[in-house]
Amino acid sequence: SQQGEEDPQALSIQEGENATMNCSYKTSINNLQWYRQNSGRGLVHLILIRSNEREKHSGRLRVTLDTSKKSSSLLITASRAADTASYFCATYPPGAGNMLTFGGGTRLMVKP
Amino acid sequence: GAVVSQHPSRVICKSGTSVKIECRSLDFQATTMFWYRQFPKQSLMLMATSNEGSKATYEQGVEKDKFLINHASLTLSTLTVTSAHPEDSSFYICSASGTSGGSTQETQYFGPGTRLLVL
Repeated sequence: SQQGEEDPQALSIQEGENATMNCSYKTSINNLQWYRQNSGRGLVHLILIRSNEREKHSGRLRVTLDTSKKSSSLLITASRAADTASYFCATYPPGAGNMLTFGGGTRLMVKP
Repeated sequence: GAVVSQHPSRVICKSGTSVKIECRSLDFQATTMFWYRQFPKQSLMLMATSNEGSKATYEQGVEKDKFLINHASLTLSTLTVTSAHPEDSSFYICSASGTSGGSTQETQYFGPGTRLLVL
């Protein structure tokens, strides 16, 4: 079963605009991770944010975490056509060891 | 970062045949490997977790006799789809986690996936 739900399911923007994707999860977590998947390819780890962190940056990526609302957001600033991909949040639910559980994903399309 | 490879990247087979997919961690020892299945425009669904030298743990609804998993070494896990049928056509992705070679247990490194088409 999926731990996280993401919205929107699909997002289409113009190059240069910012893209924001949200993820909600159900159980307590130690950390939350974001991954990118290009069409028909494997996943690439983008960023990990721990439960005691509220915000984290990596290049054009900004991730926030609100444990009280059990939600996280991924912001991509100044988007590029190469950012077109699906983005997934993932967590390790309690008692699941290192079994990563994924949200439904957001399909982002950045138009040149 | 850590690199995980999968082979083959694409396979087309006839219904009733068996297909083996390999997953290798190239620069770290993967104590745990995971196999996922992904249908078009959907998220990844975990099929099974395998630890080196022990039997795989399958998720509910995944037939262990149909999806045979072997994790014989710290760098190789294989998934065999036995007696494949058209409904087994999917994108199969492996991931690996470990604690050596710069990899951390918290982060899973994913292979590029194997697209299986059963005719």
